[in-house]
Amino acid sequence: QSVLTQPPSASGTPGQRVTISCSGSSSNIGTNTVNWYQQFPGTAPKLLIYSNNQRPSGVPDRFSGSKSGTSASLAISGLQSEDEADYYCAAWDDNPSGHFVFGTGTRVTVL
Amino acid sequence: QVQLQESGPGLVKPSETLSLICSVSGGSISSFYWSWIRQPPGKGLEWIGYVYYSGGTNYNPSLKSRVTILVDTSKNQFSLKLTSVTAADTAVYYCARGRQYSWFDPWGQGIPVTVSS
Repeated sequence: QSVLTQPPSASGTPGQRVTISCSGSSSNIGTNTVNWYQQFPGTAPKLLIYSNNQRPSGVPDRFSGSKSGTSASLAISGLQSEDEADYYCAAWDDNPSGHFVFGTGTRVTVL
Repeated sequence: QVQLQESGPGLVKPSETLSLICSVSGGSISSFYWSWIRQPPGKGLEWIGYVYYSGGTNYNPSLKSRVTILVDTSKNQFSLKLTSVTAADTAVYYCARGRQYSWFDPWGQGIPVTVSS
């Protein structure tokens, strides 16, 4: 049911930069802001990036977000072992009737 | 800081109604949108719907015919009812605070619900 497409996996060694893409359409990412969530196994998701590129208090600045057209990206600079988790993008979709949609999710592995 | 806690039965029989409550502590339920989100085992996240503190609602079109979300400001709680459940409704159900068209934060810890006879 997800309408935002993410790669199923991404990986890197400690210190590397990892980027996760999120592809949508004109009715969701093209029109509305994108938010990113981090989820560790067995725990609830946590807000990581909001309004395309804003970090909530307490989120390390190695996490950054961007948006262009109908796609968005999450970048992790200086990858650390504790960043190994699942990452989901999300946005409001204007069609039909307006509802939230999530991305398919990306598992980040630290090699 | 605001904390959310889900409660309700962990096992529901097929064709029956799933009922959950989310209790909000550390802050008022006013001025925000309150959502239910679920995650089937090993799968991704699916938004179910939200209720505004004043009672207005918006539901996922794919679930709209079976979902009711209500708010009780006197108890600082909101609830979810999902009717005619099947095995496909087995999931961890999360409640979350949010802004219209925007983020979810914080989330409850989640409650696993299994649909089985």
